[in-house]
Amino acid sequence: DAGVTQSPTHLIKTRGQQVTLRCSPKSGHDTVSWYQQALGQGPQFIFQYYEEEERQRGNFPDRFSGHQFPNYSSELNVNALLLGDSALYLCASSFRTAQETQYFGPGTRLLVL
Amino acid sequence: AQTVTQSQPEMSVQEAETVTLSCTYDTSESNYYLFWYKQPPSRQMILVIRQEAYKQQNATENRFSVNFQKAAKSFSLKISDSQLGDTAMYFCAFILSYSGAGSYQLTFGKGTKLSVIP
Repeated sequence: DAGVTQSPTHLIKTRGQQVTLRCSPKSGHDTVSWYQQALGQGPQFIFQYYEEEERQRGNFPDRFSGHQFPNYSSELNVNALLLGDSALYLCASSFRTAQETQYFGPGTRLLVL
Repeated sequence: AQTVTQSQPEMSVQEAETVTLSCTYDTSESNYYLFWYKQPPSRQMILVIRQEAYKQQNATENRFSVNFQKAAKSFSLKISDSQLGDTAMYFCAFILSYSGAGSYQLTFGKGTKLSVIP
């Protein structure tokens, strides 16, 4: 049973650049959520994708955008990177009839210099 | 808005002993779920245990059990027979159980760093 996978594992960018992170959900799941985890903090909800649409969004600026593909995989895009965007980005997947139980991937560590 | 508070930034326990991690939350809703997630140094967030608010019976998963006190809005995690592999950050999380605004996002506490000492 394939779990949630994310790529890349680590990424280094400079301020002002753009980045794309990728996520494949757990087998059988159709919903993907993205979270940002700053060092020493709990994860913060960015947004959730279901049926290829953004269903809900947390308190993040429009520089953060996403996409979900027909195979349920998802991308997180961040434009005009700031130093404060340095964090662990976690993807979580769930099934539409059990949205509350989310399974997480290993994360992508983004460092903005 | 929902909030989750973990008041113990760090804890330690001797191997084979029992430890309890605390969590309180605040919500005006009555239907929700609570979770404990474990995040070892490998970073992978692992679901440990889940509790449905409408169930009075406390959830258990092998060595892990919870003490859910709905009126007090308290949700503690007890780890019995602690093992070295239990060393990790532990996060308490909350999610609403109805469809609608704010209902699909997990709200996390700041975490408790647990160290199991040999």
